[in-house]
Amino acid sequence: DAGVIQSPRHEVTEMGQEVTLRCKPISGHDYLFWYRQTMMRGLELLIYFNNNVPIDDSGMPEDRFSAKMPNASFSTLKIQPSEPRDSAVYFCASTWANYGYTFGSGTRLTVV
Amino acid sequence: GESVGLHLPTLSVQEGDNSIINCAYSNSASDYFIWYKQESGKGPQFIIDIRSNMDKRQGQRVTVLLNKTVKHLSLQIAATQPGDSAVYFCAVLHGGKLIFGQGTELSVKP
Repeated sequence: DAGVIQSPRHEVTEMGQEVTLRCKPISGHDYLFWYRQTMMRGLELLIYFNNNVPIDDSGMPEDRFSAKMPNASFSTLKIQPSEPRDSAVYFCASTWANYGYTFGSGTRLTVV
Repeated sequence: GESVGLHLPTLSVQEGDNSIINCAYSNSASDYFIWYKQESGKGPQFIIDIRSNMDKRQGQRVTVLLNKTVKHLSLQIAATQPGDSAVYFCAVLHGGKLIFGQGTELSVKP
């Protein structure tokens, strides 16, 4: 198994641009999570899905952030418009039955 | 809700010594706990987990201890090696969400 796959690994964009982060979970996993990691706030849960349905998006910072999971093998996290304070490492994780979470390698986002 | 805290942000040990990293959680209803290791530029890597019906669980060179009475979790690494240098996070499952502590940076001196 290739694990959780995220793309791109690095993204540099200008303030105001739309950014889309992508995640492919491990096949057979029924939960998918998006986390954001910063030095100040550590690892924060943004949103999670169960069987492709968003369950809890209370961690999404504001309306500029949106996430979708159109099928069991793909999810996106979109920021529109992006701001410098969105700069962070964004991780996707997946799990089966909410145990033994596996994380991807992350996307390092820099908004200038 | 749940909040997770670590006792020390940094820990320095001599190669070959044992390391102990501690974590405290707030909600007694939390029932699943995981330790992760994160190396620079990588995602968190699963080390070991424990459920609330257990007090201790052992893996290869690692042991997790859970004290539900005081809501405390610890990770013990035996014979610490340079490759163990990383940031270690405890994470607690509560209400379907995995909540992370701030992390302890472990440095291993040769």
